[in-house]
Amino acid sequence: TQLLEQSPQFLSIQEGENLTVYCNSSSVFSSLQWYRQEPGEGPVLLVTVVTGGEVKKLKRLTFQFGDARKDSSLHITAAQPGDTGLYLCAGAISGTYKYIFGTGTRLKVLA
Amino acid sequence: NAGVTQTPKFQVLKTGQSMTLQCAQDMNHEYMSWYRQDPGMGLRLIHYSVGAGITDQGEVPNGYNVSRSTTEDFPLRLLSAAPSQTSVYFCASSSEPTGGGNSPLHFGNGTRLTVT
Repeated sequence: TQLLEQSPQFLSIQEGENLTVYCNSSSVFSSLQWYRQEPGEGPVLLVTVVTGGEVKKLKRLTFQFGDARKDSSLHITAAQPGDTGLYLCAGAISGTYKYIFGTGTRLKVLA
Repeated sequence: NAGVTQTPKFQVLKTGQSMTLQCAQDMNHEYMSWYRQDPGMGLRLIHYSVGAGITDQGEVPNGYNVSRSTTEDFPLRLLSAAPSQTSVYFCASSSEPTGGGNSPLHFGNGTRLTVT
């Protein structure tokens, strides 16, 4: 069974602080996606990273794919209450339609 | 601009009852899938389909059936509900195989199922 471990599981921080969420696996993925999920809704895609070592920025969010394509990180600079939500990473298994989802990081940003 | 539509939003079943969770997408996506989401366990793949008439098992298929008679619809059937099937169920669709890396999953808003 392929696993994607996310850490931390829960994070509560003050507005303006920085944070990093990690997504780790022993498996190699063809690509990795990050999703954010709000209560009562389905996950929504934030970004896809494909190449080992790739870094993508989305405003205050920075995503990195590990060189070996086994891990990824999400860094948020100057967090805002609107960043509150459940963050999920998902690894794509090459040649299939399957994604393995991480266990999730629940972020709460306090005003 | 519907995307992926799931019905019902909430359902309570007694042990042993059967029901069908509906999923429809209007994006002409070939790939559709069902996940269940449980606290601390992320999303786990139940069944998926790569096109009309083609389905396959995911990580946790036991107790669930699927069929894909049209591109648009992908219903999930619970044959004999058990308390262990209490969960939030999400349907998702995508246009391409994952290998390309540019095929995000589009999710519905989920069905919250409780089995007593």
